[in-house]
Amino acid sequence: KAGVTQTPRYLIKTRGQQVTLSCSPISGHRSVSWYQQTPGQGLQFLFEYFSETQRNKGNFPGRFSGRQFSNSRSEMNVSTLELGDSALYLCASSFQGQETQYFGPGTRLLVL
Amino acid sequence: TQLLEQSPQFLSIQEGENLTVYCNSSSVFSSLQWYRQEPGEGPVLLVTVVTGGEVKKLKRLTFQFGDARKDSSLHITAAQPGDTGLYLCAGDDTGNQFYFGTGTSLTVIP
Repeated sequence: KAGVTQTPRYLIKTRGQQVTLSCSPISGHRSVSWYQQTPGQGLQFLFEYFSETQRNKGNFPGRFSGRQFSNSRSEMNVSTLELGDSALYLCASSFQGQETQYFGPGTRLLVL
Repeated sequence: TQLLEQSPQFLSIQEGENLTVYCNSSSVFSSLQWYRQEPGEGPVLLVTVVTGGEVKKLKRLTFQFGDARKDSSLHITAAQPGDTGLYLCAGDDTGNQFYFGTGTSLTVIP
């Protein structure tokens, strides 16, 4: 089975721009969670999608949004980028959401 | 907010030494997971513990879940340079959300 894939792997944007990140879960997995990882804050939960519905949401501003498609692929969008949004964005998939999560390699976003 | 505190935050040891990493919380979790993450990559699951008092061994790694399911420890025997990485614990509250610990960065010097 192929693992979780994320695209792109690296991204450089400037303040005020928006960005869309993509995540393809392991085949058969219906839950996709997104996390932001920074040296200062560690791994923080953004949101979780299951069967195209956002089931859980972390404590992030509305500039962070996401969606899930019928094939379980997920995208997250960050609008009006700020310097503090520079981070490694990780997605993780699992079958239904309460079991083992499998992480992708992440997308490293740098905001200048 | 369910907070998982890990200690120590940084650890640098010589090859062959033993070490223990701790993961503590005031919250009860239905299960707890340990991950290792290498630079530029996503975390990779090492183990999941689900029963209070449970001990699991994975070669030189021993994981223990506290009796009250609020804390856990990871013990590495005879550390090797390949053990270098960021160790993360994560608790599952059955609310479809995992809470990650603050992380322990381990460096094993050859």
